Amino acid sequence: GIQVEQSPPDLILQEGANSTLRCNFSDSVNNLQWFHQNPWGQLINLFYIPSGTKQNGRLSATTVATERYSLLYISSSQTTDSGVYFCAVEGWGSNYKLTFGKGTLLTVNP
Amino acid sequence: NAGVTQTPKFRVLKTGQSMTLLCAQDMNHEYMYWYRQDPGMGLRLIHYSVGEGTTAKGEVPDGYNVSRLKKQNFLLGLESAAPSQTSVYFCASTPSLRGFYNEQFFGPGTRLTVL
Repeated sequence: GIQVEQSPPDLILQEGANSTLRCNFSDSVNNLQWFHQNPWGQLINLFYIPSGTKQNGRLSATTVATERYSLLYISSSQTTDSGVYFCAVEGWGSNYKLTFGKGTLLTVNP
Repeated sequence: NAGVTQTPKFRVLKTGQSMTLLCAQDMNHEYMYWYRQDPGMGLRLIHYSVGEGTTAKGEVPDGYNVSRLKKQNFLLGLESAAPSQTSVYFCASTPSLRGFYNEQFFGPGTRLTVL
């Protein structure tokens, strides 16, 4: 099946710093989503982005499907951005099933 | 519009006990999924359903059974719980419409501990 690798596995920032999280995938995808899992365990949809660029406030994401990677940008980070960020992809022909990466644990210190 | 809900939120079982987790969605979505999340890992697919009355195995189906008798509900059963099934369980749904966004929406999770 399709493989999903996220980097870095851990990231520590000071409040106000910017960061870039990366997601590499091993095959063509029909769907790609970024999630934030907050410290209470809730999964929050950030972006549905199989290709192109989207922005939502301080967060933006870019997927280059032909090169099989996606980037999540967090600008002016806040302590509430802490948590685990997951990338999940749906391979072509996988019948809408998502394969998750192992996530990036982000800690934003005040 | 409650989205995807899960019942219960927490449960502690003894080895060998059985239980059923309930997932409900009010978005009229066709596809529903059950995932488990273990420490330091992403979510892994247990079973999924492409419509009322149909189910299929995912990546880690052993020890679980599912049923989709009504379109809005997807049940996950553990017939004889084992400590290896201690995990957080997430349910998700998607409209699965060709040519449209097929974003998956997740429930709040059920934390299960098997002693």
